[in-house]
Order: sequence, then structure tokens, then C-alpha cells
Amino acid sequence: GESVGLHLPTLSVQEGDNSIINCAYSNSASDYFIWYKQESGKGPQFIIDIRSNMDKRQGQRVTVLLNKTVKHLSLQIAATQPGDSAVYFCAETHGNQFYFGTGTSLTVIP
Amino acid sequence: DVKVTQSSRYLVKRTGEKVFLECVQDMDHENMFWYRQDPGLGLRLIYFSYDVKMKEKGDIPEGYSVSREKKERFSLILESASTNQTSMYLCASSFEVVEKLFFGSGTQLSVL
Repeated sequence: GESVGLHLPTLSVQEGDNSIINCAYSNSASDYFIWYKQESGKGPQFIIDIRSNMDKRQGQRVTVLLNKTVKHLSLQIAATQPGDSAVYFCAETHGNQFYFGTGTSLTVIP
Repeated sequence: DVKVTQSSRYLVKRTGEKVFLECVQDMDHENMFWYRQDPGLGLRLIYFSYDVKMKEKGDIPEGYSVSREKKERFSLILESASTNQTSMYLCASSFEVVEKLFFGSGTQLSVL
């Protein structure tokens, strides 16, 4: 079956440092990937997406890297702030369905 | 901005009750989805709909049904609530089938 997972369930970083959150996927046919942020008590919020014809995409303070060779996706957050504390999870698609990872809980230490 | 609104933030129901969870989106999206979210598990798809009056089963449809009478509204129905349906329920919508999903704030359902 489909498998989407994250390398670490929790991550703590110092305020101002960069954060890297990782995700592995199993299906080489996956062609679209999304990162979501979910704060406590809220629904998931879209952060950034990338299609399989790209290997890097940048947004505001965030960068997504896609390595199709090893089926690995990462989210980099620059200058991490307290407001970045949340659960981050990846999603990948192939066909018409999304498959979601279980999430990494990011804690920013002031 | 897309807004997906779920009618209740918290619900407490008794075993055997019929439960309705309502979801409304305001961006004229064709596609709407219901997921449940449980600790340690990724989001799991219950049902989705590509158009009015159309519905498709997801990965875990047992014990649930849905209704989409209008484009903007997608309802999830628990015919006879059971304790193993205690969960966070998330509604989502998208313009294209494979495009970023916009989620509501979720409904935390407790079945006692």
C-alpha cells in the first residue's frame, strides 16, 4: 500500500535558526507534493507545493526540496519564529488521491 | 481567500445517535472531501465528491454516508455513532481534482 512518512515525530529548534523537516514517500509515480502546517486546534494550512518536474521551490521563508531518486521531500524554514510552532505534514498524490504523512511537531525555543 | 467552514468545533454525542457534520465552502470549488484525523495516523479519506449529487468512497467509508445537494455544501453523516468514531473530522475543498486542498478548522467529535 501507499506509505508516506516523516523521519522525526518531534523537532525542537532555537528561535532564529533554520528548521528542516523531512518526509519520505514510497510511490515513484507520485507527481505532486504539498506541505501543510497545523496549529493546535486548527485545520491544516497550505504552506507550499511542488510538482515532480521540479526539484526546488521557494516561498516566503520556506523552501521545498524534492529528491525523486531517493523519494524524499524536505521543508526548510528560514529564521524560525515562535509562530512556526506547529505540526507539519507532507502530502503526495498520484492518480486522484492524496496520501498524508503523520506529521512532525516543531517546537521553537525562544 | 478560500474559506471552508465547518458548522461545529466540538460535538459530544451518544452511541447510536445519528450525527450530521456540515461543511460549506465559498469559492465555487467542484471537489469536496471528508477526512478523519487520529493521533499517530495520517489523514484518512472517508468520502469525496466531484460534483453536486456525486459521491465516491474513500479509504474508510464504513459507518458513514455523505450528501451533496448544493455545490457549496458537503455533509457527513454518521448513521449510528460508535465510540470508535471519536475523532477529528476535517472537511476540505479544491478547484481541480489534484490540487492543493483547503481545509476547514475541523470538528472534534466525541462519542460516549
